[in-house]
Amino acid sequence: AQSVTQLGSHVSVSEGALVLLRCNYSSSVPPYLFWYVQYPNQGLQLLLKYTSAATLVKGINGFEAEFKKSETSFHLTKPSAHMSDAAEYFCAVGTSGTYKYIFGTGTRLKVLA
Amino acid sequence: EPEVTQTPSHQVTQMGQEVILRCVPISNHLYFYWYRQILGQKVEFLVSFYNNEISEKSEIFDDQFSVERPDGSNFTLKIRSTKLEDSAMYFCASSASGSPYNEQFFGPGTRLTVL
Repeated sequence: AQSVTQLGSHVSVSEGALVLLRCNYSSSVPPYLFWYVQYPNQGLQLLLKYTSAATLVKGINGFEAEFKKSETSFHLTKPSAHMSDAAEYFCAVGTSGTYKYIFGTGTRLKVLA
Repeated sequence: EPEVTQTPSHQVTQMGQEVILRCVPISNHLYFYWYRQILGQKVEFLVSFYNNEISEKSEIFDDQFSVERPDGSNFTLKIRSTKLEDSAMYFCASSASGSPYNEQFFGPGTRLTVL
């Protein structure tokens, strides 16, 4: 069975500071990993995905994530936070043989001026 | 850019009533999904649908729930007799294939409030 843990339901950073949102997964088979972002009153928008190619994945809006199998992690980073990054971020795992994604509980990012 | 749309954005209903949540997936997608998120909890998978059949469902998706693709564009989730615990945000999603290699595209959600 697969599972996802997101540490920190709320994260605050100053504008211009590093953003680090943590995601750890559990999967008995090779995982596909995703980060989605949800802005207020909008749907879940894909930021980036890992599909067993490069372990460092670059996404939209300057975000990237690194797949570390040894640590079962897929943390999301951005070198310099912008006010427009304030949103809720969800990590999810999918695997071959099932249609469903398993989501984490989400991390709400607040960017301070 | 194509997107998944959902109506209504907010539905309020009385316990025991039937509700139908509607979704228009991306037009060339073949796989459709419903997820829900109870306030403060994880986004949870409910059901996937392909070729007019349920391809996978979770334990949450019991006999009170049903899905349908009534025409070439809509995908609906019906809850026959709503319970208080059905109050949640319901997300529809679609994908080009069933492989997780092709990401699922999500709609903005319908917030269901059961009184």
